[in-house]
Amino acid sequence: NAGVTQTPKFRILKIGQSMTLQCTQDMNHNYMYWYRQDPGMGLKLIYYSVGAGITDKGEVPNGYNVSRSTTEDFPLRLELAAPSQTSVYFCASSYSILGTGELFFGEGSRLTVL
Amino acid sequence: AQSVTQPDIHITVSEGASLELRCNYSYGATPYLFWYVQSPGQGLQLLLKYFSGDTLVQGIKGFEAEFKRSQSSFNLRKPSVHWSDAAEYFCAVKTLRDTGNQFYFGTGTSLTVIP
Repeated sequence: NAGVTQTPKFRILKIGQSMTLQCTQDMNHNYMYWYRQDPGMGLKLIYYSVGAGITDKGEVPNGYNVSRSTTEDFPLRLELAAPSQTSVYFCASSYSILGTGELFFGEGSRLTVL
Repeated sequence: AQSVTQPDIHITVSEGASLELRCNYSYGATPYLFWYVQSPGQGLQLLLKYFSGDTLVQGIKGFEAEFKRSQSSFNLRKPSVHWSDAAEYFCAVKTLRDTGNQFYFGTGTSLTVIP
């Protein structure tokens, strides 16, 4: 019963490097989300997807890119990493039947940019 | 615009004491409301949710929450706190939009439980 799986759990990047955070879910959820969590700031939405081939920006999309080629996978790409992207990243998925459905979260990926 | 406010950044309670965590939301339509709990180094786990119907909602781990439309509140309660309840608690509201459902989170309340 995997749920939402994120990799890697920890990563240190140098300024200007790029990387991809992987996220996969096995619950056949149509919605998927990427959030970042910073101390005292709660969770901020980066990007979300309502289904394969469809993505949209959230509150804080700058410096990130996503794609959704399958229902299961929703990778988050960081181009030209900056110290401001040091954060904990959470992937989540949700179903939506008549608007109902909660978020199911992965365990998070802690990223440090030095 | 929709928003969620958790006015208490940090709360300390004694084990066995009652607990109430406050949450206020701003949303024009009927809200879908959630409480999540996050233990250190972990992801977020759903405690309970409100969609419609009975305004007093029961969740896991002995938690409950009451939706009060007149006060735009969805406060979380537990009659007797256990040491294992020490964690970060997040209130969230879900908005239904043509472009896709979105969830907005409060900034969280950190709970410390003392023996």
